[in-house]
Amino acid sequence: QSVLTQPPSASGTPGQRVTISCSGSSSNIGSNYVYWYQQLPGTAPKLLIYRMNQRPSGVPDRFSGSKSGTSASLAISGLRSEDEADYYCAAWDDSLSGYVFGTGTKVTVL
Amino acid sequence: QVQLQESGPGLVKPSQTLSLTCTVSGGSISSGSYYWSWIRQPAGKGLEWIGRIYTSGSTNYNPSLKSRVTISVDTSKNQFSLKLSSVTAADTAVYYCARETMVRGVIYGMDVWGQGTTVTVSS
Repeated sequence: QSVLTQPPSASGTPGQRVTISCSGSSSNIGSNYVYWYQQLPGTAPKLLIYRMNQRPSGVPDRFSGSKSGTSASLAISGLRSEDEADYYCAAWDDSLSGYVFGTGTKVTVL
Repeated sequence: QVQLQESGPGLVKPSQTLSLTCTVSGGSISSGSYYWSWIRQPAGKGLEWIGRIYTSGSTNYNPSLKSRVTISVDTSKNQFSLKLSSVTAADTAVYYCARETMVRGVIYGMDVWGQGTTVTVSS
């Protein structure tokens, strides 16, 4: 049961900027850090953004995260073909005492 | 470099218990401040967090699965395990294990994942 809502799809041409939204509530995004995961076709998810806007080593700075109130966003600038993947947001939910994931967004590079 | 590998039966009968193991290589499961987690993904659907166990042994479970889930650690084998009882077809999914790093009380996310293992519930 996904508590965080994302648009099912997003697309752009190479070089464009794409933004993915993640809507939650005061018990999750509103009071905790947001994480973003990238899942390439047929592979395990990979940590893309942690603590809302930090990137693990090796993740290009084309990826950036932000948060405002109970919503968060992932921006991909300079879109590349290898960015075609599913993207999931996640946050700890204080009411559930557990993690909740977003519904997932499929990014297509046109 | 730490790596995780899931293992267990690929087919489980309805009403039985699903048992999976995640083997940690390249590091000790009991060193450092880590949570060891299980996440699942039904075919064509999104991710669902199942639960986690801390290095100390404390656990957190998804409330929707809590009555059926047990996560445990075997430090002698450098493994952690998932047991999900009374399974139904709705439990058919790819199951992933993952490591969640915590440094001085700050969670750095699930930074290491296994490749996933497919479990089908069917008679």
